[in-house]
Amino acid sequence: QVQLQESGPGLVEPLQTLSLTCAVSTGGSINSGDYYWSWIRQPPGKGLEWLGYMYNSRSSYYNPSLKSRLVISGDTSKNQFSLNLTSVTAADTAVYYCARARPMWGDFDLWGQGTLVTVSS
Amino acid sequence: DIQMTQSPSSLSASVGDRVTITCRASQFISTFLNWYQQKPGKAPKVLISASNNLQSGVPSRFSGDGVGTDFTLTITSLQPEDFATYYCQQSYSTPRTFGQGTKVEIK
Repeated sequence: QVQLQESGPGLVEPLQTLSLTCAVSTGGSINSGDYYWSWIRQPPGKGLEWLGYMYNSRSSYYNPSLKSRLVISGDTSKNQFSLNLTSVTAADTAVYYCARARPMWGDFDLWGQGTLVTVSS
Repeated sequence: DIQMTQSPSSLSASVGDRVTITCRASQFISTFLNWYQQKPGKAPKVLISASNNLQSGVPSRFSGDGVGTDFTLTITSLQPEDFATYYCQQSYSTPRTFGQGTKVEIK
C-alpha cells in the first residue's frame, strides 16, 4: 500500500522560504508518469487550496496565485517530491498536504496526513 | 479560474435522514467533478470521482450525479460516521479548485 508522508519545519519566519518534502513509500514511483504528485493546503478552519503538481518528475504546474513564489520538484533517487514557497507571510499559515492525483479524472486518491506550518516571528 | 460554489455551507441532520449537497461550477466542466469527505484533523478522502463513480470501499449510501455545471452528492441514510465536511473539486482545468465545503452536523 503506497503511503505519503510530509516532513519539514512547523515554524517559518516571515519572508523566509517554506520547504516541505513528501516521501512516497515503496510501491509508488514519482518517475512513472502514472500520477500527478501534488501539494494542497488548508488554512486553519478554512477550505482547500490546490498549490500545484509535478508530473513525471520533470513537468510542473502551479496555481497562478502562487506561481512566482512556488517551486515543486522531485528527487527520483529518494522517491520524494518537495515544495519550496518563498517570501512567506502569515497568510501562508496552513496545514500542507501532499497528495497523488490520477491523470484521467484528476481526483486526489491518496493523501499524506498533513503538516501544520505556522508563519510567525 | 473555475469557481466552485457549494450549498448549503452547513446543515443539521439526523441519523437516517437523506441529505443532498449541491455544487455549481462557474463554467462547463463536463463530468470532471470529484467529492471528498474530511473529518476533523484528518486529510480529505475521495468518495466519488468523475461525478458519479463511487470509490472502492465507500458505502453505497453515497452517490453523485450531474454534468456540465450542476452536481449533487446524496447520502441516502445518514450514519453517525458521516458527520463531516464535504468538498467538491473540479478537475476540468488548472488551477484545480475546490468548493468552500459543506459541514454536516448532528441535529
